[in-house]
Amino acid sequence: NAGVTQTPKFQVLKTGQSMTLQCAQDMNHNSMYWYRQDPGMGLRLIYYSASEGTTDKGEVPNGYNVSRLNKREFSLRLESAAPSQTSVYFCASSLETHSNQPQHFGDGTRLSIL
Amino acid sequence: GQQVMQIPQYQHVQEGEDFTTYCNSSTTLSNIQWYKQRPGGHPVFLIQLVKSGEVKKQKRLTFQFGEAKKNSSLHITATQTTDVGTYFCASWRWAGSYQLTFGKGTKLSVIP
Repeated sequence: NAGVTQTPKFQVLKTGQSMTLQCAQDMNHNSMYWYRQDPGMGLRLIYYSASEGTTDKGEVPNGYNVSRLNKREFSLRLESAAPSQTSVYFCASSLETHSNQPQHFGDGTRLSIL
Repeated sequence: GQQVMQIPQYQHVQEGEDFTTYCNSSTTLSNIQWYKQRPGGHPVFLIQLVKSGEVKKQKRLTFQFGEAKKNSSLHITATQTTDVGTYFCASWRWAGSYQLTFGKGTKLSVIP
């Protein structure tokens, strides 16, 4: 049982380059999320998808776009990477976006922008 | 909007000592969740508290939800090196839809 799978695990980009972070879950969850984690800042929500076909902005959406490709997959795209986007990115899923639901996290993508 | 403040930010303890982290909110919380993140790892769900005054235990870990549902604590008795990591509290809040808001975490170091 893989749970939430993220690719790649590590990536180094140059400023201005673009890339897409991939996330897939096999738990038949309706809701999926992208967070970034910076030292001393905890986890901050970038975008989320409450259900297939919907996406919404979280706390820090600027510079990112997302696509909910199907129920299993939710990708995060950086169109023009900036050094401020150097971070660890976590994808998560839950049965639904509703109070009382635990979230299940992937292993993260460690992204460095030079 | 609703935020959860977590203290302390760091805690260093000798193995065998107790450890407590606190989570506080200025508004009433519908629930509180606790997660643990090992160094280099990802957050892992530990437990959820919903009821006022609720206390739950998992082996050496005791979780409490305040009577007013504005604060919560995680207490570890007799810490072990396996307890090392960052502990986060989180609470669901309504912002057009439900979003999980995390505290900034307490990083626990255990000195053998």
